[in-house]
Amino acid sequence: EVQLVESGGGLIQPGGSLRLSCAVSGFTVSSRYMSWVRQAPGKGLEWLSLIYKSDITDYADSVKGRFTITTDNSNNTMYLQMNSLRAEDTAIYYCARERGNTLVDFWGQGTLVTVSS
Amino acid sequence: QSALTQPPSVSGSPGQSVTISCTGTSSDVGGYNYVSWYQQHPGKAPKLMIYDVNKRPSGVPDRFSGSKSGNTASLTISGLQAEDEADYSCCSYAGRYTLVFGGGTKLTVL
Repeated sequence: EVQLVESGGGLIQPGGSLRLSCAVSGFTVSSRYMSWVRQAPGKGLEWLSLIYKSDITDYADSVKGRFTITTDNSNNTMYLQMNSLRAEDTAIYYCARERGNTLVDFWGQGTLVTVSS
Repeated sequence: QSALTQPPSVSGSPGQSVTISCTGTSSDVGGYNYVSWYQQHPGKAPKLMIYDVNKRPSGVPDRFSGSKSGNTASLTISGLQAEDEADYSCCSYAGRYTLVFGGGTKLTVL
């Protein structure tokens, strides 16, 4: 059974850093395009970043230079390191599995990140 | 990348049909046949309903259908049921490794 379980969210002050984790089961994280998508309160979904086989990565302009996506094949987990956090980064962050990097076919339940002083 | 444009809300009575539009540009919706649609109930993760413009994953009722014309994609739900009440978001491949989503549409079943 495919499962994506996010963790690491919480309350953080502006300018701070946070690392989100996505524990993957049911497939190997290196075999699929994997991404992070967020949803700010009352807003639409926003694609943030993608990784494939640990050496292909891409980022939305809104997070480029501040967020870093990685995977750890030994524990089948994907990460999102978030630095220089801003109030506008407040959102639910979803771990997502992509199919051929053209759509998301499976989502985690999400983890809430709140950036506030 | 700019978000795709969806109407904030649509509504319909049980048994009726509703259509949700999703407008992009020639760099996303109009440039590729990779439009997908997601259903999201409150507090839940999104669920894939339509992919590659008009294909349904296994288990999705055939009441859900998708289409595209130019830079605008559409999701049609026929025979509305109470459980269809949810938020619906479109998504398009936008080149290289990028996806772009719409702002979401709240469907109310009257």
